[in-house]
Amino acid sequence: GAGVSQSPSNKVTEKGKDVELRCDPISGHTALYWYRQSLGQGLEFLIYFQGNSAPDKSGLPSDRFSAERTGGSVSTLTIQRTQQEDSAVYLCASSRDRGITEAFFGQGTRLTVV
Amino acid sequence: GQQVMQIPQYQHVQEGEDFTTYCNSSTTLSNIQWYKQRPGGHPVFLIQLVKSGEVKKQKRLTFQFGEAKKNSSLHITATQTTDVGTYFCAKGSGNTGKLIFGQGTTLQVKP
Repeated sequence: GAGVSQSPSNKVTEKGKDVELRCDPISGHTALYWYRQSLGQGLEFLIYFQGNSAPDKSGLPSDRFSAERTGGSVSTLTIQRTQQEDSAVYLCASSRDRGITEAFFGQGTRLTVV
Repeated sequence: GQQVMQIPQYQHVQEGEDFTTYCNSSTTLSNIQWYKQRPGGHPVFLIQLVKSGEVKKQKRLTFQFGEAKKNSSLHITATQTTDVGTYFCAKGSGNTGKLIFGQGTTLQVKP
């Protein structure tokens, strides 16, 4: 596609439910990043993929968070047993190459846990 | 360790005044990137600096990379209301693959 696409754009879920967030990167971009941004805060690094591999998962806040990427393209971020502190905007970005070329961001998924 | 520290956190200026945000790292950076996030929007890439002492300009914006490649700055001359937003620096690594962002500097411009 023309840009990074994220879905859904908004998600309201009940505490304890699982949610799945989707990111469709720019075609041909090998690197894909997930960040979390709480209201008025900076970008918290969660995980990045090079192709289908995630060399570093240390940014994931807890074992309730997991992510995968298939076919070197679409990625999903899954949050199990959501908690209120998980409420934030989840941003996905992709770049042509890892860490050394510009990253293009999607519009984000605003997650609200009630 | 892997952090980049950005100051100030907030800056309020009168339209027409200059603005500078600073990004500092305790370790040598292979490159530094700058992004702008408008209120309600997503970060948008502005520029990347790679060389020691590099200076790049984009209209009223001047980006510098320190000689030791441990710090960088973004200077805006004669701010306009369209400059409002949060400016982030980000350090990238071709080795680790991570792209780590500073906390950002939020700029408010009074017309």
